[in-house]
Amino acid sequence: EVQLVESGGGLVQPGGSLRLSCAASGFTFSNYAMSWVRQAPGKGLEWVSGISGSGAGTYYADSVKGRFTISRDNSKNTVYLQMNSLRAEDTAVYYCAKGFVRWEVDYWGQGTLVTVSS
Amino acid sequence: QSVLTQPPSVSAAPGQKVTISCSGSSSNIGNNYVSWYQQLPGTAPKLLIYDNNRRPSGIPDRISGSRSGTSATLGITGLQTGDEADYYCGTWDSSLSAVVFGGGTKLTVL
Repeated sequence: EVQLVESGGGLVQPGGSLRLSCAASGFTFSNYAMSWVRQAPGKGLEWVSGISGSGAGTYYADSVKGRFTISRDNSKNTVYLQMNSLRAEDTAVYYCAKGFVRWEVDYWGQGTLVTVSS
Repeated sequence: QSVLTQPPSVSAAPGQKVTISCSGSSSNIGNNYVSWYQQLPGTAPKLLIYDNNRRPSGIPDRISGSRSGTSATLGITGLQTGDEADYYCGTWDSSLSAVVFGGGTKLTVL
């Protein structure tokens, strides 16, 4: 059974940093791209960042480019999202997402809430 | 503003058919595969369609997808009250080198 378990969310002040982690199990982790997708309260889905199975390719939404960094450790079956210079508009539930054939998502984590507020 | 454009809401009666459109451009829908997701209230999204028209295992054949030019369409027949949800289209955007989603469409089954 595929499981994606996020951790690391919480309350942070504007300008602060957080590191999200997603522990994966139930599939051959290194074979699949992984993404982070967020959803602000009452809003739609926004893809944040993605990383290829090997980790060689990383991609970002314009809204987070230069502030967020995605990485993965295939020996630990874990993907990370380092978030710096956080802004109020980054407040959202952040989902860890497993790629299917390409970047479409077939499994989602339960989500972790990030709140940026003073 | 989302890169992909969806109608904010659609509605239909139980048992009827509904379609949800998703409009983009040559840098996204026109040259990349489209996927569709269903999000029930308070839950994570669920993949309904990938590669424009393919259904993952477990998705019933009353769910369908198509693409024509720079637009894509999700179709649902035999509507049930359990289909009431938000639906999102998504695809890769070659100009942005990023995944883009539509703004979402709320389906109401009257």
